[in-house]
Amino acid sequence: QKEVEQNSGPLSVPEGAIASLNCTYSDRGSQSFFWYRQYSGKSPELIMFIYSNGDKEDGRFTAQLNKASQYVSLLIRDSQPSDSATYLCAGGGSSNTGKLIFGQGTTLQVKP
Amino acid sequence: EPEVTQTPSHQVTQMGQEVILRCVPISNHLYFYWYRQILGQKVEFLVSFYNNEISEKSEIFDDQFSVERPDGSNFTLKIRSTKLEDSAMYFCASTKTNSLSEQYFGPGTRLTVT
Repeated sequence: QKEVEQNSGPLSVPEGAIASLNCTYSDRGSQSFFWYRQYSGKSPELIMFIYSNGDKEDGRFTAQLNKASQYVSLLIRDSQPSDSATYLCAGGGSSNTGKLIFGQGTTLQVKP
Repeated sequence: EPEVTQTPSHQVTQMGQEVILRCVPISNHLYFYWYRQILGQKVEFLVSFYNNEISEKSEIFDDQFSVERPDGSNFTLKIRSTKLEDSAMYFCASTKTNSLSEQYFGPGTRLTVT
């Protein structure tokens, strides 16, 4: 069974701090990784994607991928209360159909 | 900015009834997907669709489910005989260039089976 695992949290950080969200995956064939933000009752909103080992930065967000360790992370700098949401990690690309396998999500709470 | 749209936002149906959930993917996207999320659980893949045919389906996607692209814009998910356990949020997603590309999700349809 191909799995993506996340700590469900909640992860609580003060406003302005760095939030670090982590994800591991079991399918070594996965080639692409995505971070989605999901507010309660809403649909997943894509915030970052990464295909290559290393870091990828976009504004306050940095995604990190380590394929040898089968590990993906998302750093959120200068966390804001509006960042409070569930963050979903998803892996894809092991089949050529685009199927994504999602983790259960980590709930982030940013306290003012 | 183009976005995926879905209708209805909420569908209530009785067990055993047929439902059709509708999606309009982003216009120049080529790959289409349905996912579902039971309340409090993971987002689960149901089916992928490319070039007018199913390219992959999950174990959830049994004979009660079907998908169709009846015209150049709509993408539908049909559940022939709904069960209580089909109650979930159903999300449509699309991607532009290939199966590795980022997928954009619609707002979802909340299906309640009573």
